[in-house]
Amino acid sequence: GENVEQHPSTLSVQEGDSAVIKCTYSDSASNYFPWYKQELGKGPQLIIDIRSNVGEKKDQRIAVTLNKTAKHFSLHITETQPEDSAVYFCAATQDNNNDMRFGAGTRLTVKP
Amino acid sequence: DSGVTQTPKHLITATGQRVTLRCSPRSGDLSVYWYQQSLDQGLQFLIQYYNGEERAKGNILERFSAQQFPDLHSELNLSSLELGDSALYFCASSVYDSTDTQYFGPGTRLTVL
Repeated sequence: GENVEQHPSTLSVQEGDSAVIKCTYSDSASNYFPWYKQELGKGPQLIIDIRSNVGEKKDQRIAVTLNKTAKHFSLHITETQPEDSAVYFCAATQDNNNDMRFGAGTRLTVKP
Repeated sequence: DSGVTQTPKHLITATGQRVTLRCSPRSGDLSVYWYQQSLDQGLQFLIQYYNGEERAKGNILERFSAQQFPDLHSELNLSSLELGDSALYFCASSVYDSTDTQYFGPGTRLTVL
């Protein structure tokens, strides 16, 4: 089955800097890659997603890139703010297989 | 607010007991997913229901079962509870399947003493 690895496990940046989180997946059939943000005491919230027919997607300060050949995808957050501090999870899944696999998570801390 | 509701928010029980967690999906979503989040295992997919029928199974123990009712709400039943079942249990919903956006509920924190 699919295996998703996520790095780094913790990331600390200064406010205004950029943050990058990377994930790799093992199943070349995976075609949907969402990113979730989880704040303390809350459920994961989708922040951006990308499908395998697209190489990059951007939404304001957040972007995701996908390299299908290398089977890795990355989350980029620019101009970080203290409210970006949270745990971020990547995930991978595919059509007709509803077992979505998550990375282990990255705890991002943005220092004011 | 994702539109997915879960009750109860917290549950404390003893080993060997049985509990039921409840989830109401977003309006219009036909699929419900259950996930377990623990410190050592991360977020793990347990089971999915689509329009009342079981659609996919993940790492769900035989002691656990779920169902989805005609009004599309779902219940996760956990029996013969063990200390290791202590975790956060999340429900998520989507329109159809896992490649549609999944919206997560706030979770139920289960503590087994």
